[in-house]
Amino acid sequence: NAGVTQTPKFQVLKTGQSMTLQCAQDMNHEYMSWYRQDPGMGLRLIHYSVGAGITDQGEVPNGYNVSRSTTEDFPLRLLSAAPSQTSVYFCASSFRASSGNTIYFGEGSWLTVV
Amino acid sequence: GQQVMQIPQYQHVQEGEDFTTYCNSSTTLSNIQWYKQRPGGHPVFLIQLVKSGEVKKQKRLTFQFGEAKKNSSLHITATQTTDVGTYFCAGPKGTGNQFYFGTGTSLTVIP
Repeated sequence: NAGVTQTPKFQVLKTGQSMTLQCAQDMNHEYMSWYRQDPGMGLRLIHYSVGAGITDQGEVPNGYNVSRSTTEDFPLRLLSAAPSQTSVYFCASSFRASSGNTIYFGEGSWLTVV
Repeated sequence: GQQVMQIPQYQHVQEGEDFTTYCNSSTTLSNIQWYKQRPGGHPVFLIQLVKSGEVKKQKRLTFQFGEAKKNSSLHITATQTTDVGTYFCAGPKGTGNQFYFGTGTSLTVIP
């Protein structure tokens, strides 16, 4: 019962470095998304995908790129990390790209940019 | 900006007291979901409300969807230490391809 798997769990980056947060789900879900969680801000949607080959921007997309080459994988790329990107990142998926479907979250990735 | 707001942001209660968090949207929602996140954990789905005025119960938790489908509430009766965590509401935007979460209410239960 893997569900949504995120790696790495913890990462420290220097300003300007790039990295990719990996996300994979084994539930054959159409919809995948990335959120960031900051104190007092709740969960904010970064990017989402309604299926392989289709991605779109959420509330806070700047500084992040995504791709969806397969149904299972939805990596999040930070091209040039900034301290403002220090946050907890959650990958999530749901069965269909329509409202009313339960969202399943990964365990989270704690990212610190120094 | 944030489409869905929650109040209060923080709540401390004595064990056994009741707790309520409120979720308000500026637009009508087709449905609303509630999630719980334990400290250090990830959000976990609790329930979904779809109908105007709908009320659902899960043991000590009561969820309500407003008549206008713009607000919702979660009420916990006689809190326990296991209720500690942050409670989020979430609603779809537009066609539903995007889910927006409320700012969350962090509940602390004092034994």
